[in-house]
Amino acid sequence: QVQLQESGPGLVKPSETLSLTCTVSGGSISSYYWSWIRQPPGKGLEWIGYIYYSGSTNYNPSLKSRVTISVDTSKNQFSLKLSSVTAADTAVYYCARRGKYCSGGSCYSGSWFDPWGQGTLVTVSS
Amino acid sequence: QSVLTQPPSASGTPGQRVTISCSGSSSNIGSNTVNWYQQLPGTAPKLLIYSNNQRPSGVPDRFSGSKSGTSASLAISGLQSEDEADYYCAAWDDSLNGHVVFGGGTKLTVL
Repeated sequence: QVQLQESGPGLVKPSETLSLTCTVSGGSISSYYWSWIRQPPGKGLEWIGYIYYSGSTNYNPSLKSRVTISVDTSKNQFSLKLSSVTAADTAVYYCARRGKYCSGGSCYSGSWFDPWGQGTLVTVSS
Repeated sequence: QSVLTQPPSASGTPGQRVTISCSGSSSNIGSNTVNWYQQLPGTAPKLLIYSNNQRPSGVPDRFSGSKSGTSASLAISGLQSEDEADYYCAAWDDSLNGHVVFGGGTKLTVL
């Protein structure tokens, strides 16, 4: 089955750019939407954004000015860049695939996320 | 402050039935389907219910979801100790070019 694995630095300095990569294994990145979601320590989940394998994106309005999500289909990977980070960006960052359902011979993307990566903790500190 | 409102905590004894509510608005739950996630301690969230009331393969039928108007509920029957976890609701929100919103999460304790 499809598995996702986040990778990247666990420590980022304030005002710098956080960069993470999600590697998809066990399936193709094609024909799906792929998302980033984060969870500050002890707090709830926050959707960051998603990218379609073709490159189209949609971002959380509250983070839009600082977020870039990109995809590399040749490597079966997609990436997150979050600029000008502060301590408030300290969180476990998860990558996940948007679900898909099929009806009447056509398939559509759903709003749910499955599967998820195991998550990676990124701490913003000098 | 989360867009979707959940009670911060819920509890029940083994074998009981518990429900967790999720309240939203016309731009999210009122016009889109609701999904639920279970997050066991120290692990990534796992999809529990999608499209209001659909269970992914492998999720026990003790878990069920429903939606009415701008609110949704997750019900867990025959409560088991391994159900102790955080539960999150989520939905698409049509405002601001569309985005995903989550509830603040409900910590379920099995007494």
